[in-house]
Amino acid sequence: GDSVTQMEGPVTLSEEAFLTINCTYTATGYPSLFWYVQYPGEGLQLLLKATKADDKGSNKGFEATYRKETTSFHLEKGSVQVSDSAVYFCALYRGFQKLVFGTGTRLLVSP
Amino acid sequence: DTGVSQDPRHKITKRGQNVTFRCDPISEHNRLYWYRQTLGQGPEFLTYFQNEAQLEKSRLLSDRFSAERPKGSFSTLEIQRTEQGDSAMYLCASSLAESGYGYTFGSGTRLTVV
Repeated sequence: GDSVTQMEGPVTLSEEAFLTINCTYTATGYPSLFWYVQYPGEGLQLLLKATKADDKGSNKGFEATYRKETTSFHLEKGSVQVSDSAVYFCALYRGFQKLVFGTGTRLLVSP
Repeated sequence: DTGVSQDPRHKITKRGQNVTFRCDPISEHNRLYWYRQTLGQGPEFLTYFQNEAQLEKSRLLSDRFSAERPKGSFSTLEIQRTEQGDSAMYLCASSLAESGYGYTFGSGTRLTVV
């Protein structure tokens, strides 16, 4: 079945450091890919998405490129802020009305 | 429109009691979804509605769980005879069928069974 694998956290960085959170997926066909962010005590917010191979999703300084050849959708940001501290979820959608999520990666950014 | 609303935000209940959660989707959205998120895990699909029809249920949704969307607007999720394993965050989301995957999530209801 469809699945998403994320790097385990927590990822601990200093402010202004470069961020990479790895995400790989297993799915037949051509899923759409997403990154969601969850701040403490809150629900999920869509951060960015990509719907086909080689698409780059971007938002708030975060980027991810849909790599079909490596079945990956790694999240990057050039300079993280303390306010970016949250849990980040990679997810795929292949229809059938449901998102399939990874287990999440906690990011901790210190001043 | 204030987005997807869930009530209550937190619920603590004793094992064996019944609980009911409510979700109010974005008003023009015709699809509504329930997900469950346990500690340290990603959300898992439970069920979804298109208008008032419940079109799919995950095998995670045991017989103790029931969801309704009686008028195609708000939805309720009831858990009967709660167990400690039911402790989780229950997330609701809504979307327009035409948007495919354009989900908007609510803030969730955190259930603790003691």
